[in-house]
Amino acid sequence: DTGVSQDPRHKITKRGQNVTFRCDPISEHNRLYWYRQTLGQGPEFLTYFQNEAQLEKSRLLSDRFSAERPKGSFSTLEIQRTEQGDSAMYLCASSSGLRGRLETQYFGPGTRLLVL
Amino acid sequence: KQEVTQIPAALSVPEGENLVLNCSFTDSAIYNLQWFRQDPGKGLTSLLLIQSSQREQTSGRLNASLDKSSGRSTLYIAASQPGDSATYLCAVMDYGGATNKLIFGTGTLLAVQP
Repeated sequence: DTGVSQDPRHKITKRGQNVTFRCDPISEHNRLYWYRQTLGQGPEFLTYFQNEAQLEKSRLLSDRFSAERPKGSFSTLEIQRTEQGDSAMYLCASSSGLRGRLETQYFGPGTRLLVL
Repeated sequence: KQEVTQIPAALSVPEGENLVLNCSFTDSAIYNLQWFRQDPGKGLTSLLLIQSSQREQTSGRLNASLDKSSGRSTLYIAASQPGDSATYLCAVMDYGGATNKLIFGTGTLLAVQP
């Protein structure tokens, strides 16, 4: 396993611009999660995919946020019309689903977003 | 709604000391509790996972305990080393969701002084 990768690692944008982040999970992991972590806080759940199906979305995921996992492999998270409050670390995690609720999630290095 | 709290928020100890990090959660209906480590600007690394039916888990110098009825977990680190310096996060997976999402505490920032 090469681990979960995320791209870009850092993104600086101006308020009102759109940004897109990519997550490549560990191969053959059919479960993929997005979390958001603001400074000094723990990660907060955003959304969950099982294969290509988005099965749960947090209320934190406003209409400006959209996530996809078109072929059940990599995932993208897009934020439209960014606001300064969107500045955070966006973390992606994956798991195999083989052990149900007894398995851990493997996290990527995150994408740090700064909205000016 | 499940809430997870960690105390202390920050801790500084000299190298070699044994230490305890605390985690509490409000709803005891959980599947498991996990402890993660996060280095500055990095993602999370899983340290230990305790199933709801278990009382503790051990890995090397780390020992995590779980008291589900009181909503508490502790992470014990023996003979701390400067390389243990990081933020430690606990997270629970509870019955409230349809998925395996984790609910995290705010973390304890640990500094081990050489």
